[in-house]
Amino acid sequence: NAGVTQTPKFQVLKTGQSMTLQCAQDMNHEYMSWYRQDPGMGLRLIHYSVGAGITDQGEVPNGYNVSRSTTEDFPLRLLSAAPSQTSVYFCASSSSTGVGSPLHFGNGTRLTVT
Amino acid sequence: AQKVTQAQTEISVVEKEDVTLDCVYETRDTTYYLFWYKQPPSGELVFLIRRNSFDEQNEISGRYSWNFQKSTSSFNFTITASQVVDSAVYFCALSEALISSGSARQLTFGSGTQLTVLP
Repeated sequence: NAGVTQTPKFQVLKTGQSMTLQCAQDMNHEYMSWYRQDPGMGLRLIHYSVGAGITDQGEVPNGYNVSRSTTEDFPLRLLSAAPSQTSVYFCASSSSTGVGSPLHFGNGTRLTVT
Repeated sequence: AQKVTQAQTEISVVEKEDVTLDCVYETRDTTYYLFWYKQPPSGELVFLIRRNSFDEQNEISGRYSWNFQKSTSSFNFTITASQVVDSAVYFCALSEALISSGSARQLTFGSGTQLTVLP
């Protein structure tokens, strides 16, 4: 049972480069989301999706795009990387869009932008 | 807006000591959920517990216990007889409905408490 799988685990980018962080889940969860974790700030929501074809912005969406063409996949695109996007990124999913559903997290992607 | 405060940035205890991690939250919703997650040094986030706003019963699971008090907007986490393996960052989080999108919800995290248990 793989759960939530994120790739890559580590990535170094130069300022201005673009890339896609991959996220896949095999639990048939409707809700998926992306968070970034920065020291002293906890985790902050970037984008989320309540089902295939539906996405919306979270707290810190600028500089990121998402799409949800299938239930399983929810990639996060960095359009033009900036040093401020250096962070650890977590993808998460849950079985329901309801308030009380616990999130299942991937193992994270550590991104460094130089 | 919702907010979660974990005032303790770092705590260090010696093995077998009891330790309490504090969590204070703010929300205007009457229906909400509170969570605790553990992030060990390996980096993954592990779900520990969920509590809804209508259930103020304390919960105990082995060496872990949680004290939810709506009167003080707190959801504290106690580890009894701590062990080295408890060393991790612990996050408290709050979930309420996003007003702008109806049923969808956002999980708001505190900044985390780094717990170090020394042998």
